[in-house]
Amino acid sequence: RKEVEQDPGPFNVPEGATVAFNCTYSNSASQSFFWYRQDCRKEPKLLMSVYSSGNEDGRFTAQLNRASQYISLLIRDSKLSDSATYLCVVKRSGGSNYKLTFGKGTLLTVNP
Amino acid sequence: EAGVTQFPSHSVIEKGQTVTLRCDPISGHDNLYWYRRVMGKEIKFLLHFVKESKQDESGMPNNRFLAERTGGTYSTLKVQPAELEDSGVYFCASSQDPYYEQFFGPGTRLTVL
Repeated sequence: RKEVEQDPGPFNVPEGATVAFNCTYSNSASQSFFWYRQDCRKEPKLLMSVYSSGNEDGRFTAQLNRASQYISLLIRDSKLSDSATYLCVVKRSGGSNYKLTFGKGTLLTVNP
Repeated sequence: EAGVTQFPSHSVIEKGQTVTLRCDPISGHDNLYWYRRVMGKEIKFLLHFVKESKQDESGMPNNRFLAERTGGTYSTLKVQPAELEDSGVYFCASSQDPYYEQFFGPGTRLTVL
């Protein structure tokens, strides 16, 4: 079983739609959780960290459920510029282990 | 402030040859990480330097891969001899502290023929 599993996608949505990404992780020792965004042939960039209480940044809302080891990202009122691959990422911190563990990513295309 | 830079951006080599990738982290970042993405797979961790020391090299696939960070500034990743399955995109990232955000470079796209 992969350590981080995401919806395989791809997602094609019209502008203005609401789209949700789901992710599960297998290692209960994971301590930090993130959504990264990767544009085509570019590097991954941090979109937002995910906290247990849930957090929002403009049109983006992230949720974490530690009991079910589930992470989500909701994008409201999607824009053409939101088209990208969204990567679910977890991290165990401590000892010598600070690596990021990535899901395969879900490709989102927002259409005019 | 300059971001993480990587050189070359692309490299095409034949099986059995040697390739050296370079990463320059953000100035002042003691933590440097190497990751790679092979086609169809997720991005995977290779190793983590703190200054010039290897903190975690659990992701290095085999002894054909050698990473160095002499002087604690830039890092090199050498693949010798390269195999077909080494093809992919190699990303470098750096962070000021291991608990802080890791900033990624643009990657080196390696093709082994």
